[in-house]
Amino acid sequence: DIVMTQTPLSSPVTLGQPASISCRSSQSLVHSDGNIYLSWLQQRPGQPPRLLIYKNSNRFSGVPDRFSGSGAGTDFTLKISRVEAEDVGVYYCMQATHFPYTFGQGTKLEIK
Amino acid sequence: EVQLVESGGGLIQPGGPLRLSCAASGFTFNSHWMHWVRQAPGKGLVWVSSISPDGSGTVYADSVKGRFTISRDNARNTLYLQMESLRAEDTAVYYCVREVCGGGDCKLFDSWGQGGLVTVSS
Repeated sequence: DIVMTQTPLSSPVTLGQPASISCRSSQSLVHSDGNIYLSWLQQRPGQPPRLLIYKNSNRFSGVPDRFSGSGAGTDFTLKISRVEAEDVGVYYCMQATHFPYTFGQGTKLEIK
Repeated sequence: EVQLVESGGGLIQPGGPLRLSCAASGFTFNSHWMHWVRQAPGKGLVWVSSISPDGSGTVYADSVKGRFTISRDNARNTLYLQMESLRAEDTAVYYCVREVCGGGDCKLFDSWGQGGLVTVSS
């Protein structure tokens, strides 16, 4: 199974400041079709997860452009350019390149 | 509007069976892979199982293989998860998830239900 390791596990951030979450996979996430099926999900307190980024760097419909995803091979990053209060929650990376699909442990974003 | 509504959760004794359902609406159900993802209380997300649009293809996590069965009724727009021999470690919120594949983009887990809580305890 592919292990997804996120850092940090907790990220206190000042409103208006940037935030960055790293996700490392134990194997390459490049699919045989050439795509990288790495997604980022946000889970606000008491809510189901919500898709933010798919295929490594594609912002999902309706997601603010302050969210961006990047990476290659086994190292991936979610960046929030300016954190807003509504961004509080837990962020997960997820790989869907290989079964079983696997998630990172989650990174809790909180406001300082 | 896409809607996924789970039902059938509850308290069940260890070793017992339970069936979760997910009623889908607002989209062409039989065109999508569907998935179950679970989340134990206070813990992270764990993929459980997936099923192809026509139901002919299924995949399971090792932790549930042989105990859980995913299925779908495309005439009823409903996804199921039949759970047998339940264990305490199966206690979790179970999410029904839609996958979108189209326009050159696949594996978008774009819609999640609110989740159904399964508690396995004596």
